[in-house]
This record gives sequence, structure tokens and C-alpha cells, in this order.
Amino acid sequence: AQKITQTQPGMFVQEKEAVTLDCTYDTSDPSYGLFWYKQPSSGEMIFLIYQGSYDQQNATEGRYSLNFQKARKSANLVISASQLGDSAMYFCAMREGLDGTSYGKLTFGQGTILTVHP
Amino acid sequence: EPEVTQTPSHQVTQMGQEVILRCVPISNHLYFYWYRQILGQKVEFLVSFYNNEISEKSEIFDDQFSVERPDGSNFTLKIRSTKLEDSAMYFCASLADSYNEQFFGPGTRLTVL
Repeated sequence: AQKITQTQPGMFVQEKEAVTLDCTYDTSDPSYGLFWYKQPSSGEMIFLIYQGSYDQQNATEGRYSLNFQKARKSANLVISASQLGDSAMYFCAMREGLDGTSYGKLTFGQGTILTVHP
Repeated sequence: EPEVTQTPSHQVTQMGQEVILRCVPISNHLYFYWYRQILGQKVEFLVSFYNNEISEKSEIFDDQFSVERPDGSNFTLKIRSTKLEDSAMYFCASLADSYNEQFFGPGTRLTVL
């Protein structure tokens, strides 16, 4: 079974509107972290936001917020006020064993290509 | 701001040749990783390295691959005899501790002809 599932191969949004990128995960580990990375066409991986499994509140970083629904095992990324520069591939990733039982490897989803239209 | 660096940015090699991809992680980080991304696909974990030894590796990381931290700064990935299917972007990442995000380098695009 896939540990990270991103069901939207591509998404389109108008500039200045909000967009939600979906991510569901599968783990039996109680201690894990969820990450979102942005990969522009230049190829680098840019960290956006992190949510720990024990965090009580949804993470926010500027225009990025993470809609964490633990019971549903979903960790959707919300980008508010989209900008043209947000056009990129977005990856959801998970790290299990945050309690020290792993060495931190990330498992990635397939990614979602976001295109922002002017 | 400290960053992970990788050299070269692009490497072209012939099938069967050995390649060494180099990374300089962030200086106070303790965990080091290699990932690869075949064009258009997801990022896949290869290996993690901690305390001067491999701590975890994926099934992709077979005997053709090795990693080394030859000095206090460099972290290398060696592919002994490259195959066409090794063509990919290879990312190095480093981590200060288990509770912080991994910082990725810009990647090395390996093309095997």
C-alpha cells in the first residue's frame, strides 16, 4: 500500500484565489511528521510546512497552511492568495518514528503540478 | 543562511562507468541522506547516514551504490557501474536532529548514455 497518496496529478487556480492540494497517508506509527515541499521547474526542493502527529493545532507558514485531519489521515496543503510564482510541483512527504525509532527518511507522494493562471 | 551544496550540477556518463556525486551538508547537521528522482516521478529515498555509517537503505540501494563521508564536510554517493536506469536527479539532504525539516541540496542531474 502507498504510504503517501496525492490523488491530483494537476491542479489549476486563478491568481489571488486559494487552492487545496490533497494528501492522505498511511501509517501505524503514532509518532510521525508530515511535510510539504515545492519543486519549481528549476528542480530544487523547497521546504514549505511541517505538521507533527502530536501537534494540536494546524501548522501555518505565511500563505501556507496545513489542514491536518488525523482521524482521516489527511494532511492537505492550502495555499491562500495564489501567485504566479506558486506554479510548481508540490510533494507531500512523511517521516515516521519521530520518537527516535527511525533515522528520518522521508517517503514522498507522487506530487501535484499546480498551475496558477493570471 | 546555511545551505546544502552539491557538485556537479549535471553529470553525463557512459553506461558502465563509475560516478561520484558530491554533497556538502550543513555543518552542524548529524543525519545525511541521498534521494533520487527519475524524471517526472516522485522522490525516492536511497540511504541515510549517521555516526559515520549507513543507518538505513532502500531496496534501490544495492551493491552498485556506496556512500562515504571522507572528511568532516563532504558526503559522497558512488555508483560503481552505471546503468541507463540510473539516469535521474540525485538529491542530498541533511538534518540537524529528528525534529527538524531536512534541507535539500539543489540536486545533481545524472545522465547515463
